Amino acid sequence: EAGVVQSPRYKIIEKKQPVAFWCNPISGHNTLYWYLQNLGQGPELLIRYENEEAVDDSQLPKDRFSAERLKGVDSTLKIQPAELGDSAVYLCASSRGTGAQDEAFFGQGTRLTVV
Amino acid sequence: AQSVTQPDIHITVSEGASLELRCNYSYGATPYLFWYVQSPGQGLQLLLKYFSGDTLVQGIKGFEAEFKRSQSSFNLRKPSVHWSDAAEYFCAVGAFGGYNKLIFGAGTRLAVHP
Repeated sequence: EAGVVQSPRYKIIEKKQPVAFWCNPISGHNTLYWYLQNLGQGPELLIRYENEEAVDDSQLPKDRFSAERLKGVDSTLKIQPAELGDSAVYLCASSRGTGAQDEAFFGQGTRLTVV
Repeated sequence: AQSVTQPDIHITVSEGASLELRCNYSYGATPYLFWYVQSPGQGLQLLLKYFSGDTLVQGIKGFEAEFKRSQSSFNLRKPSVHWSDAAEYFCAVGAFGGYNKLIFGAGTRLAVHP
């Protein structure tokens, strides 16, 4: 079974430019998460999807960040415009559900550098 | 508010030595607790989890953790460390139960000397 796939693995952009990250969850996983991991910190939840519905986006900075999960499978996270402080690793995870037995599996992440 | 504290930023041990990584949590209800490992350039991998029952839980790669409610702790242990265990370790609490929202500590980076 393939794991959670993210692309690109690395991205370098100039500030004020847009950037997008893509995530393909494990087949059959209804729940998808985007986490932000700053250097030297643990991941922090940005948004959680149940199928195609964003059920928890309270930590997503909506002035510049947006996300979508069309058809309840793949997801895209976008930043427009990017700022220097957005440099971090963006992790995607998926699980069958959110119950106690539904382990969340993480992708390798996209490392964003804004210059 | 829920929070997780990992007091040790870096730990260095010799190969074959025992290991204990500390984790303290703040959570109003019965916590769901997790330990994840992140190797360089890799995603997070679940080592073990505690939801209820036996307070000593066994995980993969020879790791175990003990939940102590009185101390609000969930320390990770391994009796004999291997060089391949060098990585970053994250403790997390599951807010609202389960995996709805994992709240992570800042992590402990483990170095292993030969």
